[in-house]
Amino acid sequence: GAVVSQHPSRVICKSGTSVKIECRSLDFQATTMFWYRQFPKQSLMLMATSNEGSKATYEQGVEKDKFLINHASLTLSTLTVTSAHPEDSSFYICSARAPGLAGNIQYFGAGTRLSVL
Amino acid sequence: GNSVTQMEGPVTLSEEAFLTINCTYTATGYPSLFWYVQYPGEGLQLLLKATKADDKGSNKGFEATYRKETTSFHLEKGSVQVSDSAVYFCALSGSYSWGKLQFGAGTQVVVTP
Repeated sequence: GAVVSQHPSRVICKSGTSVKIECRSLDFQATTMFWYRQFPKQSLMLMATSNEGSKATYEQGVEKDKFLINHASLTLSTLTVTSAHPEDSSFYICSARAPGLAGNIQYFGAGTRLSVL
Repeated sequence: GNSVTQMEGPVTLSEEAFLTINCTYTATGYPSLFWYVQYPGEGLQLLLKATKADDKGSNKGFEATYRKETTSFHLEKGSVQVSDSAVYFCALSGSYSWGKLQFGAGTQVVVTP
């Protein structure tokens, strides 16, 4: 099946620094990737939709200047958390949609645990 | 707008017991329905899906039937194993949502030996 790789799996950073998370589709081209945030014991909240070659579409309430998304190629999207603060600590998960498959299936990365000190 | 409601957990079961997790939805048009599973510390894995009314999705002994008349997509498994312990998410992708997924709150399942 389709594989999505997310890196790093865990990152600890100091407050005020920026962190970049990568999401790669390994064996298919993903025209659309999604970024989610998950708080402990809660569901996934969609942050933004990333389309290759165009600007990301952010959900209401998500600061686009804080969460920079770049979808530079059909296999790579990155999320940069700029000037991270402790309240940004969370589990971030990306997914990629494989074109040509029925049912709008999204394939998910393993997630990145961000801890901001 | 679209929404998904699933039963709260945790659900604690003994091995070989029957599992049901209820999921109901509201949506316009004809959504696709999914069950995803999340093991501790990991991302989500697609468990099964159904794209139209009366479709039955099945995988690894799990089943769910798309019931348009009751707007439901309940997940069932006849005999659970300890390895089925995880959080299960019901989700839908609406007809006009451009692939976006709307998730339920998730149900934690704990299977004891």
